[in-house]
Amino acid sequence: AQSVTQLGSHVSVSEGALVLLRCNYSSSVPPYLFWYVQYPNQGLQLLLKYTTGATLVKGINGFEAEFKKSETSFHLTKPSAHMSDAAEYFCAVRGRGNNRLAFGKGNQVVVIP
Amino acid sequence: DAGITQSPRHKVTETGTPVTLRCHQTENHRYMYWYRQDPGHGLRLIHYSYGVKDTDKGEVSDGYSVSRSKTEDFLLTLESATSSQTSVYFCAISEDDGEKLFFGSGTQLSVL
Repeated sequence: AQSVTQLGSHVSVSEGALVLLRCNYSSSVPPYLFWYVQYPNQGLQLLLKYTTGATLVKGINGFEAEFKKSETSFHLTKPSAHMSDAAEYFCAVRGRGNNRLAFGKGNQVVVIP
Repeated sequence: DAGITQSPRHKVTETGTPVTLRCHQTENHRYMYWYRQDPGHGLRLIHYSYGVKDTDKGEVSDGYSVSRSKTEDFLLTLESATSSQTSVYFCAISEDDGEKLFFGSGTQLSVL
């Protein structure tokens, strides 16, 4: 079964600094990978996804992630944090041939002014 | 925004009582899912549906049942609520390829 690991439940970043959230996946086949964001009291929204093709994926709000097969990683980055980036971020994996996502435990991002 | 409505938004109930949560969509998407969200656990899949009357279990299905009699409605029932089922429940929908999920706003359930 596919799974993802996100380390560090809480991440603090200064406004204007780099945001880096790490995600490592476990899958026996090339997976589909996703990052979702959850703002307070809301459901999750898709930030970006990797299915095939270019390994550097750009998403909404200036976020991007790079699929690295050799490292089984799909880390999320944003060059300059904004106060509005304060939210919880979830990495997710879906195996090819099924429609069920497996989510990581999430990273709560706090942006410090 | 995808048309997904969860009801109720908040519910407090007592241990041992049955509870039904409703998810209603206006997108005509084939796939529907129920997740629960708990601190330190992220989102865990309870049940999902791949069509009317077609459902299957997720990773935390014990104590829950589902029904889908119409494309637009997916019901989650806690047969006899327990305190361990206190959680935030999210419904999600997706089109055939399942690459992108749209989430509802969630139901906060407290079992006392």
